[in-house]
Amino acid sequence: GAGVSQSPRYKVAKRGQDVALRCDPISGHVSLFWYQQALGQGPEFLTYFQNEAQLDKSGLPSDRFFAERPEGSVSTLKIQRTQQEDSAVYLCASSPKDRGLEGYTFGSGTRLTVV
Amino acid sequence: EDQVTQSPEALRLQEGESSSLNCSYTVSGLRGLFWYRQDPGKGPEFLFTLYSAGEEKEKERLKATLTKKESFLHITAPKPEDSATYLCAVQSNTGKLIFGQGTTLQVKP
Repeated sequence: GAGVSQSPRYKVAKRGQDVALRCDPISGHVSLFWYQQALGQGPEFLTYFQNEAQLDKSGLPSDRFFAERPEGSVSTLKIQRTQQEDSAVYLCASSPKDRGLEGYTFGSGTRLTVV
Repeated sequence: EDQVTQSPEALRLQEGESSSLNCSYTVSGLRGLFWYRQDPGKGPEFLFTLYSAGEEKEKERLKATLTKKESFLHITAPKPEDSATYLCAVQSNTGKLIFGQGTTLQVKP
């Protein structure tokens, strides 16, 4: 597609439920990033993939968060045993360049609400 | 520690009233400073990248400038459609972007 596509757009989860958020990057983009954006705040880095390799996961807040990109294209962010503090918008971004240098294109995000 | 601070948090302008948004930063190994626009319910939309002090870039009513410690986004004669949250971010050698908290701009007709 022409842009970065994320699904679902909205997700409501009961506390303790597992969720999976999907990101379809722009075709051919080697770099893929996940960010978390709390209400009224700027996005915060979660993790980075170059093709299928996860090169930086320093921003993942706990071991309940897991991301994968097995074929170097579509990526999934999984959150296990969701907690209320996980409520946020999860943004995916992709770039044709290594480490996303010179910037990247964001998707519209998935808004996760944990109740 | 890499850090980005934006001010003001919110700005209300009348249509045609020019102003500036500020972004102060500290980062080790700056690879670029980015300005994004974010509309409600959407992801950040790229506006500008600046790489070195003294650099300036323009797009329609927006002009971004960069010094060694801060960047300004100047808005000349804004229109209501310029209302949005403007995000500043710095990129380090690792590629990750460190964002400020944003400035929410409202332009009234």
